[in-house]
Amino acid sequence: EAQVTQNPRYLITVTGKKLTVTCSQNMNHEYMSWYRQDPGLGLRQIYYSMNVEVTDKGDVPEGYKVSRKEKRNFPLILESPSPNQTSLYFCASSAGTLLYTQYFGPGTRLTVL
Amino acid sequence: KQEVTQIPAALSVPEGENLVLNCSFTDSAIYNLQWFRQDPGKGLTSLLLIQSSQREQTSGRLNASLDKSSGRSTLYIAASQPGDSATYLCAGSDGSSNTGKLIFGQGTTLQVKP
Repeated sequence: EAQVTQNPRYLITVTGKKLTVTCSQNMNHEYMSWYRQDPGLGLRQIYYSMNVEVTDKGDVPEGYKVSRKEKRNFPLILESPSPNQTSLYFCASSAGTLLYTQYFGPGTRLTVL
Repeated sequence: KQEVTQIPAALSVPEGENLVLNCSFTDSAIYNLQWFRQDPGKGLTSLLLIQSSQREQTSGRLNASLDKSSGRSTLYIAASQPGDSATYLCAGSDGSSNTGKLIFGQGTTLQVKP
């Protein structure tokens, strides 16, 4: 089954404790990205990757890092999480940037205390 | 800068009714517009993608249209069912760049009553 998977689905952590949210897709997609969803603010892009080893900032990259060492994986790293990073995070992938459907993962609900 | 708006924020209809969800965008240089469905506690499910060269797309009881000149897209749901209850999001591509970024509306939460 074609899908985007994220782990963990739920995470409660404390300020400053480094964490990684994994994202993997099995569709051989070149393009992957991360969004966060917050009440009243909607979905906003954090980072995106056009292909392996090519990443760039989205609209809200502060406090986040990403890497794209393999085509299928695009982990989101929070080196020192803060409470304002409490949010619902989605990973997405597509075959390209403009003409293709983007497929989203099930989401990771993160709470930073 | 692309901005996407969805009105109304919430909608309640009786089962069987045909309904239209509205989406408006500010930048007509849009490459594509995508409609998603989001169920509580779950991810986004892609419903339809309309490319800028197309005017509409259909999938089952769903029909989405795109009018770039007026900056509007609609999602038509025929013969609504309680299982259609969810939040519907439209997202337009950022026409000013090739980043693949989607600009999302705030969504319309639909409740279909049995």
